[in-house]
Amino acid sequence: DGGITQSPKYLFRKEGQNVTLSCEQNLNHDAMYWYRQDPGQGLRLIYYSQIVNDFQKGDIAEGYSVSREKKESFPLTVTSAQKNPTAFYLCASSIVGREAYGYTFGSGTRLTVV
Amino acid sequence: QQQVKQSPQSLIVQKGGISIINCAYENTAFDYFPWYQQFPGKGPALLIAIRPDVSEKKEGRFTISFNKSAKQFSLHIMDSQPGDSATYFCAASWTSGSRLTFGEGTQLTVNP
Repeated sequence: DGGITQSPKYLFRKEGQNVTLSCEQNLNHDAMYWYRQDPGQGLRLIYYSQIVNDFQKGDIAEGYSVSREKKESFPLTVTSAQKNPTAFYLCASSIVGREAYGYTFGSGTRLTVV
Repeated sequence: QQQVKQSPQSLIVQKGGISIINCAYENTAFDYFPWYQQFPGKGPALLIAIRPDVSEKKEGRFTISFNKSAKQFSLHIMDSQPGDSATYFCAASWTSGSRLTFGEGTQLTVNP
């Protein structure tokens, strides 16, 4: 079955640590996205990529970094510069030029600072 | 110009009632308006979508109403069930290709 796999489902980070969230898709989608979800604040775009080796900042990119070395993979690193990283992180993908026809989302990673 | 405003933030409905969630947009270039449904601990999933050439689209108990002149669209859930309890997001885009712009989300609770 095609889909998006996010791992881990739960992640705990100590103060000052960098952590990397994994996102893998086998849908052959060109575009991939990372969103942060906080209660009452909807989906806020962190980074997106429409092609391998290229990505753009979203609305809240500070304290985050990404890479897109393979079409299937779009990992997100939450750096120590992100002062309030506790949130639910969602990865999504779509067909470039047909984004309006729907995004496919992963099941999310819940990151907690301990 | 890129915003989509969604209301209410939360909604409680009795089983069998009608749930109504509203969205308003500013960018008149938008021509595709999907709704996403998200259950706790899961990612959102496409529920239903509408284009501005029609004023209403119905799929089972879910109906989108669209008012182009007012730049508003709404989701109606008829005969609401406890299993409909979820967060609902409206979104907007243009079909020539662009990122979706999401509303802030509505947390729906349907009491048994």
